[in-house]
Amino acid sequence: DAMVIQNPRYQVTQFGKPVTLSCSQTLNHNVMYWYQQKSSQAPKLLFHYYDKDFNNEADTPDNFQSRRPNTSFCFLDIRSPGLGDAAMYLCATSSPGQGARGSYEQYFGPGTRLTVT
Amino acid sequence: RKEVEQDPGPFNVPEGATVAFNCTYSNSASQSFFWYRQDCRKEPKLLMSVYSSGNEDGRFTAQLNRASQYISLLIRDSKLSDSATYLCVVNMMDSSYKLIFGSGTRLLVRP
Repeated sequence: DAMVIQNPRYQVTQFGKPVTLSCSQTLNHNVMYWYQQKSSQAPKLLFHYYDKDFNNEADTPDNFQSRRPNTSFCFLDIRSPGLGDAAMYLCATSSPGQGARGSYEQYFGPGTRLTVT
Repeated sequence: RKEVEQDPGPFNVPEGATVAFNCTYSNSASQSFFWYRQDCRKEPKLLMSVYSSGNEDGRFTAQLNRASQYISLLIRDSKLSDSATYLCVVNMMDSSYKLIFGSGTRLLVRP
């Protein structure tokens, strides 16, 4: 009964070779987030979708893009991965605007660990 | 000043000990507060939300002090399985639903 699913769990890509990470959810949450987490650091928010509206963080490099074709799926595209992009990429969901008691708690998928060679 | 600050630890305690972590946050207007637990190379998992009146869940107690802008987590009767990194989380200044994570406090519980 996995609620937030990420594929693949491990991804190896070459320097400069585009890569796409995927996230799906069965929670029907309206907000989906992408975070980057490097070793011993806090998860860093890259961007999020509130319903269909895309919201980029000011310091997210242009190299990172995202798509959300429907409520359940969200993709992270890294156009030209550099060695510094090696990290764990975490997808999360929340439901702040849903129902009488929207929730700000975020639920994470297991992450995709990206290696750049 | 970081938006969310935590002592990185590690806190090394014996089984059965009581241990407390504090976290300070910079945005006095923050409304949402959480503690997450993260095991090595795994995703963060929600441990508990933190309410103004304080809340308890089994061996875990969370407190919020708005005047001093800090959040605490108390773990009683520590178990080996409590060994993990505990992340303090607060909503961002520009949003009620975007969260900012502390770098975490590492807890090691020894036999």
